[in-house]
Amino acid sequence: QKEVEQDPGPLSVPEGAIVSLNCTYSNSAFQYFMWYRQYSRKGPELLMYTYSSGNKEDGRFTAQVDKSSKYISLFIRDSQPSDSATYLCAMSAVGEYGNKLVFGAGTILRVKS
Amino acid sequence: GAVVSQHPSWVICKSGTSVKIECRSLDFQATTMFWYRQFPKQSLMLMATSNEGSKATYEQGVEKDKFLINHASLTLSTLTVTSAHPEDSSFYICSATSQGAGDTIYFGEGSWLTVV
Repeated sequence: QKEVEQDPGPLSVPEGAIVSLNCTYSNSAFQYFMWYRQYSRKGPELLMYTYSSGNKEDGRFTAQVDKSSKYISLFIRDSQPSDSATYLCAMSAVGEYGNKLVFGAGTILRVKS
Repeated sequence: GAVVSQHPSWVICKSGTSVKIECRSLDFQATTMFWYRQFPKQSLMLMATSNEGSKATYEQGVEKDKFLINHASLTLSTLTVTSAHPEDSSFYICSATSQGAGDTIYFGEGSWLTVV
C-alpha cells in the first residue's frame, strides 16, 4: 500500500463546475499537507498549505483536512479552463521525515470551455 | 513569495558526458534542498535531500556516484548527472525550504534533460 493514494484521473469537468480532488494517506505521522498545481513541462506551484484539521480557503480554492480519517481534499469553485493541470497532494511529518514531502500520484484535471 | 530558480531549463547532451543543473533560492536561505526526478505522466520521485555544508542523503536505489549533489551555500545546490545515458533523460526538479519542520517548500521550474 502506498503511503499516499491519489486517483490519477483524468477528471474532466465543464467550465464553472465545482471540482473535488482527494487524497488518502496511511501514515498518521503526517502533520503538514499541501496541494500543488503542475502545468505540463513545468515545476509544481504551491496552491494551499495547511497543518490542522478543518478547512482553509483562498479565493476559489478550499483545502480540507480530516486527520481522523486520514483524508484531504481540494475544492475548486467556478473552475476555469486555465485550471486544467495536474494537481498533486503532498504531505510531510516532523521527526523522521523533517521537511521531506511524500507525494500522491497526481490527478489530471481538464476543464472544458 | 519565495522563488526558486533552476538552470538550465532545457539541456541536450551526448551520451557519456556530464551535465550540471543548478538550483538557487533567490530570496531566502535554503537550509535544505531536495532533488526530484519526474517521468512523463508520473509523480515526483525524490532522489536526494541536500543540507547546506553536508553530504546529500540519497533515496534507496539512487546511485550517488552517478547523481552528484553539492550544496555549497545556503542559496545554491547543484545536481551533476555523470556519464549520462539516454535512460537518464527526464525532468529534474529541485525544491528548497528554510529551517524548521513544516516550513513551506518551494519548487523550481524544473530542468528537462535529453541525452542523445
